[in-house]
Amino acid sequence: AQRVTQPEKLLSVFKGAPVELKCNYSYSGSPELFWYVQYSRQRLQLLLRHISRESIKGFTADLNKGETSFHLKKPFAQEEDSAMYYCAPRPGGGSQGNLIFGKGTKLSVKP
Amino acid sequence: GAVVSQHPSWVICKSGTSVKIECRSLDFQATTMFWYRQFPKQSLMLMATSNEGSKATYEQGVEKDKFLINHASLTLSTLTVTSAHPEDSSFYICSAPFGSGRVPEQYFGPGTRLTVT
Repeated sequence: AQRVTQPEKLLSVFKGAPVELKCNYSYSGSPELFWYVQYSRQRLQLLLRHISRESIKGFTADLNKGETSFHLKKPFAQEEDSAMYYCAPRPGGGSQGNLIFGKGTKLSVKP
Repeated sequence: GAVVSQHPSWVICKSGTSVKIECRSLDFQATTMFWYRQFPKQSLMLMATSNEGSKATYEQGVEKDKFLINHASLTLSTLTVTSAHPEDSSFYICSAPFGSGRVPEQYFGPGTRLTVT
């Protein structure tokens, strides 16, 4: 079955500590993978996508096809990083980009 | 950047009535829009894909007669919750893809909170 798993509901770290939000997926073919973020009282917005290999706000995510993982990492967390983070694969095929969302991880960065 | 709006942002209705939620792409055209549902402290669940000029595609388990979708123009999709019941109370979010390239970015609306009493 196609599935995306974010094992941690809540991740709490202190400011300046490294953070890793885990995401594992189970999809046939080669899905495209995204991380979305939702800050308090704001709408969902794209954080990064694996095909871009970009770093946004200090976050990076490496696609590991062997482990079928797409963990989100940041070496030094900031308080403003506190938000809900969703891993979202886009199943292969199609051109309009519907997404399947993980359950999300709430990141809390303490001062 | 692309902006997606939703109206209303918040609605309360009585059980048995119908409610229409609008999703608009403000500065771009979208032949496809997506409707999601989010329960409190849970993830977004894709309900359906709205296709301009044709029928919507519903995800498994979503009643198409309950959740009527109309994509009347390239900038507007509507979701009508018919004969609403308290269990339909939820946060409804739409998104639309925009951008060049093989993988367009999804832009999300701010959501509509529906409460059925």
